Amino acid sequence: GDSVTQMEGPVTLSEEAFLTINCTYTATGYPSLFWYVQYPGEGLQLLLKATKADDKGSNKGFEATYRKETTSFHLEKGSVQVSDSAVYFCALSEGGATNKLIFGTGTLLAVQP
Amino acid sequence: EAGVAQSPRYKIIEKRQSVAFWCNPISGHATLYWYQQILGQGPKLLIQFQNNGVVDDSQLPKDRFSAERLKGVDSTLKIQPAKLEDSAVYLCASSLVAEKLFFGSGTQLSVL
Repeated sequence: GDSVTQMEGPVTLSEEAFLTINCTYTATGYPSLFWYVQYPGEGLQLLLKATKADDKGSNKGFEATYRKETTSFHLEKGSVQVSDSAVYFCALSEGGATNKLIFGTGTLLAVQP
Repeated sequence: EAGVAQSPRYKIIEKRQSVAFWCNPISGHATLYWYQQILGQGPKLLIQFQNNGVVDDSQLPKDRFSAERLKGVDSTLKIQPAKLEDSAVYLCASSLVAEKLFFGSGTQLSVL
């Protein structure tokens, strides 16, 4: 079945460092891809998405490009801040009647001042 | 705009007891989801409602889990009887547009 694999955390960075969180997927069709973020004490929220190959999703300085040839959707940010500390979840949806989201295991990012 | 409300925030029960969780989605959101998140894993969809009809409950353990959404608004998820492996965070989410889900803070269940 469809699945998402994320790099294990925690990822610990200093403020202003470059961030990459790897995500690869397995799917039978052409899924939409997402990054959700969970800040401490809050619910998950959509960070960005891409719906087809070569699309780039972006939000709050974060970017991810849908790479069909490598089945990847890596999350990047050029300069992280302490406020970016959170758990990041990669997810896919095959669409269809339910648009069910399938999540990866999450990657904890800790940014130190 | 008010977010997705869930209660209780925490619950501790013994195995074989029953437990219920409540969710109030964002006003106007027709689609409501219950996810289970076991420690170290990503959220897994248990059941999805469209208004008060079930769209997907393929991963709901129906011998012990049940859910309802009366009048297409609030929803309750029940476990009876609970097992040790049900220890998890139960997340409720709602959406107006497909794939853009808004999640509540979840209910953390510990089964002893």
